[in-house]
Amino acid sequence: RKEVEQDPGPFNVPEGATVAFNCTYSNSASQSFFWYRQDCRKEPKLLMSVYSSGNEDGRFTAQLNRASQYISLLIRDSKLSDSATYLCAVITGGGNKLTFGTGTQLKVEL
Amino acid sequence: NAGVTQTPKFQVLKTGQSMTLQCAQDMNHEYMSWYRQDPGMGLRLIHYSVGAGITDQGEVPNGYNVSRSTTEDFPLRLLSAAPSQTSVYFCASSYVLGLNEQFFGPGTRLTVL
Repeated sequence: RKEVEQDPGPFNVPEGATVAFNCTYSNSASQSFFWYRQDCRKEPKLLMSVYSSGNEDGRFTAQLNRASQYISLLIRDSKLSDSATYLCAVITGGGNKLTFGTGTQLKVEL
Repeated sequence: NAGVTQTPKFQVLKTGQSMTLQCAQDMNHEYMSWYRQDPGMGLRLIHYSVGAGITDQGEVPNGYNVSRSTTEDFPLRLLSAAPSQTSVYFCASSYVLGLNEQFFGPGTRLTVL
C-alpha cells in the first residue's frame, strides 16, 4: 500500500462549481499535512498546510480526519485559474521526509 | 533572493554517462531535498539533507549520490545514467521541514537514451 494515495482524476468541473479532493495516508504517526498546487510543467508550490482543527484560505478549505487517516481539500466557486494538479503531502520518516501523493488533476471549464 | 535555482534546465545523456545536477538556495535553509517526478508516480524523494555535512536516503536513492558541503548547495550526481532515470528532477529547500514552507526549484528535465 502506498504511503499517500490520491484519486488521479481528472476532475472536470464547470466554473463556479464546488469540488473536493481526498487524500489517504497509511502511517498513523504522521504529524504534518499539506496541499501543494502544480501547474503544467512547473514546480509544485505550497497551497496550504492542513491543521487538526481544519483551516480556510479564501475559497479553499482543508480538513484533517485522523481517525480515518485522510485529508481533504475543498474548492468553492471554482475559477478557470484553479485548473492544475493538486498534490497532498505528508511528513513521514521521523519528521525528515515529505511524501507526496500522485496528484489529482483539476480542469475547470466554461 | 533568487530562491532555489537548478541547472541545467534540460539535459540529454547517453546510457552510462555520469553527470551532476546542480541545486543552490540563497535563503539560508537547513533542509534540502531532491525529488524525481514521473507520470503516474508523483514526486518521489531521492535524497535529503538536514544541514551541511548531513545527508540521508529517501525512497529511491539507487543510482544517485549527494553531498552537502555548504548550506547553499546540494548537488545530485548520477553515477552511470540509465534510461530508467529519465525524469523531471526537482530540488527543494526549507528552514525546517514541516514547520516552514518548502520551496521548489524550477526542475531539470533529463532524458537518458
